[in-house]
Parts: sequence; C-alpha cells; structure tokens
Amino acid sequence: QKEVEQNSGPLSVPEGAIASLNCTYSDRGSQSFFWYRQYSGKSPELIMSIYSNGDKEDGRFTAQLNKASQYVSLLIRDSQPSDSATYLCAVPARYNTDKLIFGTGTRLQVFP
Amino acid sequence: DTGVSQDPRHKITKRGQNVTFRCDPISEHNRLYWYRQTLGQGPEFLTYFQNEAQLEKSRLLSDRFSAERPKGSFSTLEIQRTEQGDSAMYLCASSHVWGGQETQYFGPGTRLLVL
Repeated sequence: QKEVEQNSGPLSVPEGAIASLNCTYSDRGSQSFFWYRQYSGKSPELIMSIYSNGDKEDGRFTAQLNKASQYVSLLIRDSQPSDSATYLCAVPARYNTDKLIFGTGTRLQVFP
Repeated sequence: DTGVSQDPRHKITKRGQNVTFRCDPISEHNRLYWYRQTLGQGPEFLTYFQNEAQLEKSRLLSDRFSAERPKGSFSTLEIQRTEQGDSAMYLCASSHVWGGQETQYFGPGTRLLVL
C-alpha cells in the first residue's frame, strides 16, 4: 500500500510570508501528484497538480516535485489569512489514473 | 462549486438505521469515487465506478456498505444497520481520464452522525 506522509502541523506563518508545505511518498513509480485545500467542515478543493520534476506555478502557488527524493512541496507566496486551511497531498494508488492515497494533511495558520 | 453535487449535506440517524446518500457527478465525467473522511485524517477510498461498472471496493468496506451507479450517471451509497463508527464525512469525486491522466473533483460531502 502506498504511503503519503505530511507533517500535521499546525504551520503558523505571518501574513505576507511564504508558507512551505511538504509531502513525501513511498512509491518511486508515482507519476501524478495533487494538492487539495480543505477548509474546516468543507470538502477538498483541488489547487495544484504536478507531473514532472521541477516547479509549476499558478498565481501565488508553486508546486515543486523531486522524484529522486520522493517529495513534493507546495509554496504559498504572500500568505493571506484566507489561506488558513488544511492542505492535503494525494497520489494515485497506481500509475496516473486510480483512487487517490491522501496524506493526513498539514494545517496552515496565517496570522495577521 | 466543482459541479459535483451530493445530497443530503447532513444526516443524523440512530444506530441500526439504514441511510442512503446520492452523488451527481460532472456530466461528462465517466469515473465516480466514494471516499470517507474522519476528523484529522485524509479521505480514505471506499469504492469507484467507471461508467456503470463498479471496478473496485476497499477491503475495509464492510458488507453493510453498498454502492450503485445505474446508467453511469448519479451514484448512491447505502449503509445498512449503521454503527457509531460510521460517523464521518462521505465524499464523492468525479473525474475524466484524458491523455492518460486523471484529476478528481470533489463534491461538498455528506456529513453523517450516528447516535
């Protein structure tokens, strides 16, 4: 069974800072990686996907993938209090198309 | 709003009762997943459909749970003889496989409380 690990946090950062969230995975063959944001009491919302080594930027979000080290990270620039949420890392169980294996999530708190 | 809808959004039931949840996926999506999430944990896979075929069920899923997707459109998840341990958020996700890649979009979830 694949494993996806995240630090549960909370990660506390001041408004305007860069928040760095990390995720490691066990299967070296994994090809797709997803970051979901989940506000308290709500369902997960997709914010980023990444498939290739390197960085992928979307607005204030940057996903970084290093397959050799088996980690994927999410950077949030200019953090806002509205970014306070739990961030879930997910990897398909097999290849690129399959049920997702989730980490336990990292809770981010952005304080004014 | 992802376009995936779930009904009801909240359900309170007594132990031993049966409950049924519905999920309506994004219309062009052929895959539909059910997950369960408890406090402090990530979503955990339950089962999934490709069109009307149920392709996989989690080994953790007891025989009290059953799911259907008639005609490959909406899906229902039924829990028979509910137990307090069934209390959780039940999440539905839909997806379309394109170019060998797949992205899942979640509905708002159904929060179940078993008393």
